[in-house]
Amino acid sequence: DVKVTQSSRYLVKRTGEKVFLECVQDMDHENMFWYRQDPGLGLRLIYFSYDVKMKEKGDIPEGYSVSREKKERFSLILESASTNQTSMYLCASSPGQGNSPLHFGNGTRLTVT
Amino acid sequence: AQKVTQAQTEISVVEKEDVTLDCVYETRDTTYYLFWYKQPPSGELVFLIRRNSFDEQNEISGRYSWNFQKSTSSFNFTITASQVVDSAVYFCALSGWIQGAQKLVFGQGTRLTINP
Repeated sequence: DVKVTQSSRYLVKRTGEKVFLECVQDMDHENMFWYRQDPGLGLRLIYFSYDVKMKEKGDIPEGYSVSREKKERFSLILESASTNQTSMYLCASSPGQGNSPLHFGNGTRLTVT
Repeated sequence: AQKVTQAQTEISVVEKEDVTLDCVYETRDTTYYLFWYKQPPSGELVFLIRRNSFDEQNEISGRYSWNFQKSTSSFNFTITASQVVDSAVYFCALSGWIQGAQKLVFGQGTRLTINP
């Protein structure tokens, strides 16, 4: 089974802090994604990556950056956390072939105070 | 533009009732895929089904069934004889080419509560 592991289940950070959310997958998937989930808005794509050192903006990239130095790891970075970034963050991966189902991690619930 | 609408924000039924979750999508692509995911309280989204745009056959898997109708751009999900373990948030999603890349667009989700 594919395993997507997010390093933290819950995080509490202060406004202005730099925050790192880590995601690791163990199935050699080419594609990795970061979504945020908010009530009434569903899942919105922040960034995605189709290869090592490659990144593409999703629908809501403002205030975020990403890093993919190794194939199995995709990090989401909040350069200066703000209260409106309080949310559930979900990482996902999929094989390189198009339209494959995404495999999700358990999510990180981030609270910015 | 790609869009998925799940008009039902919350549904609550009594155990053993049948329940249908609606999903309506918009796309200009002729080839696309539709998905349903389940998110139980644990938080991890679980893949349920994928359907391509050329296959309009309905699918049944145990108590779950899916009705895909291109004419109405809908991909509805029915749970027959619901059980408490079916309580979750369900997401419908559409795969398509956006900004030159293939991405998944999700609906807002429907929170389903099955009461004993």
